[in-house]
Amino acid sequence: AQRVTQPEKLLSVFKGAPVELKCNYSYSGSPELFWYVQYSRQRLQLLLRHISRESIKGFTADLNKGETSFHLKKPFAQEEDSAMYYCALKRWNNDMRFGAGTRLTVKP
Amino acid sequence: EAQVTQNPRYLITVTGKKLTVTCSQNMNHEYMSWYRQDPGLGLRQIYYSMNVEVTDKGDVPEGYKVSRKEKRNFPLILESPSPNQTSLYFCASSLTSGRAGELFFGEGSRLTVL
Repeated sequence: AQRVTQPEKLLSVFKGAPVELKCNYSYSGSPELFWYVQYSRQRLQLLLRHISRESIKGFTADLNKGETSFHLKKPFAQEEDSAMYYCALKRWNNDMRFGAGTRLTVKP
Repeated sequence: EAQVTQNPRYLITVTGKKLTVTCSQNMNHEYMSWYRQDPGLGLRQIYYSMNVEVTDKGDVPEGYKVSRKEKRNFPLILESPSPNQTSLYFCASSLTSGRAGELFFGEGSRLTVL
């Protein structure tokens, strides 16, 4: 079964602390993974995609095929990072499936 | 401006009264999809469409219908809404080649079924 699991529904850190949002997947083919973010009162939007290997707003994510993980990391969290984060898997037919999401709160 | 537009943005209705939530995109995207967002459950896919006249069920299709007669439009139909369909609904679209996978979302439609 193709599945994306985000084990933490809520995550709270203090400003300046490192943050890691966990994502695990199960997929029989070659996965394409993404992180989407939804800030308060805004549309869901793409944050980053693993094939780009880029850093967006200080966030990075590395695909670990051995552990079937795609955790999102940032070394120093900012208050404006508070949002809902979704990990997503693009299947062979370009269909996208999402995890249940993690709500990140960065406290001052 | 490239965007996905949903209507209505807010709707309160009663059980059994058929309703349609429209979704339109102006980016010539092949792929379109509907999701519902519920507290604690995140985003769950209802239906998706790979192209005109091609639709398929997502994870929670029960109680919903869709159609894709034109590339730009992908309406979500609730033939006989029930209170458990009270939710926040999102439409999304993307290309299926090139930068495929970058989903563009509508602003959401908040539906309440009494």
